[in-house]
Amino acid sequence: FVLTQPHSLSESPGKTVTISCTRSSGSIFSNYVQWYQQRPGSAPTIVIYEDYQRPSGVPDRFSGAIDRSSNSASLTISGLKTEDEADYFCQSYDGSKRVFGGGTKLTVL
Amino acid sequence: QVHLVESGGGVVRPGRSLRLSCTASGFSFSDYGFHWVRRAPGKGLEWVAVIWYDGSEKYYADSVKGRFTISRDNSKNTLYLQMNSLRAEDTAVYYCARDPQEFSSSWPYRWGQGTLVTVSS
Repeated sequence: FVLTQPHSLSESPGKTVTISCTRSSGSIFSNYVQWYQQRPGSAPTIVIYEDYQRPSGVPDRFSGAIDRSSNSASLTISGLKTEDEADYFCQSYDGSKRVFGGGTKLTVL
Repeated sequence: QVHLVESGGGVVRPGRSLRLSCTASGFSFSDYGFHWVRRAPGKGLEWVAVIWYDGSEKYYADSVKGRFTISRDNSKNTLYLQMNSLRAEDTAVYYCARDPQEFSSSWPYRWGQGTLVTVSS
């Protein structure tokens, strides 16, 4: 299956943005979804794991959700800051393999 | 403190081989599974391979299966990726990443800083 994300999004500081991750086949509930943030020149870091869990150190401005009707996962970032500008990737499982979404470039300006 | 350092990247001609290493510190290496993930220039993240904590299970992306081999040496706290028959499309930054919990296999949690592999004639 494929995980499809919007290629890019742009929003102003202080606003809220939601990034979607749609699973092409099979139920989104079949496997956990993770979300990663990657800033230019840096390694990816986890911001959401197991659909909606937030690792320690990640601000509560980041939240994850799963939607059965659209068969998709989403990452919502509220109170946007310029430091949130980055690429965001969703990730799930296909059997024993891991699958990443194509990534969303978030611009905050 | 978890620390992962990749090495072994460089420029290599198509069809040749390269071995990447990932040296770990700050935790019990033999208790965790590991992944290799890559990011090609202008592209997104691509999962490459996973190895279980005990090395008993290994899985690969279709794009590298039969050409790449993931392995580990618990006595050296080191993870490897042997890459054979390299192609231009293997050009990427390669990251090693550790699973979040011991004795399980799940998702990439803690990542190294990556090593660049360039396949070019």
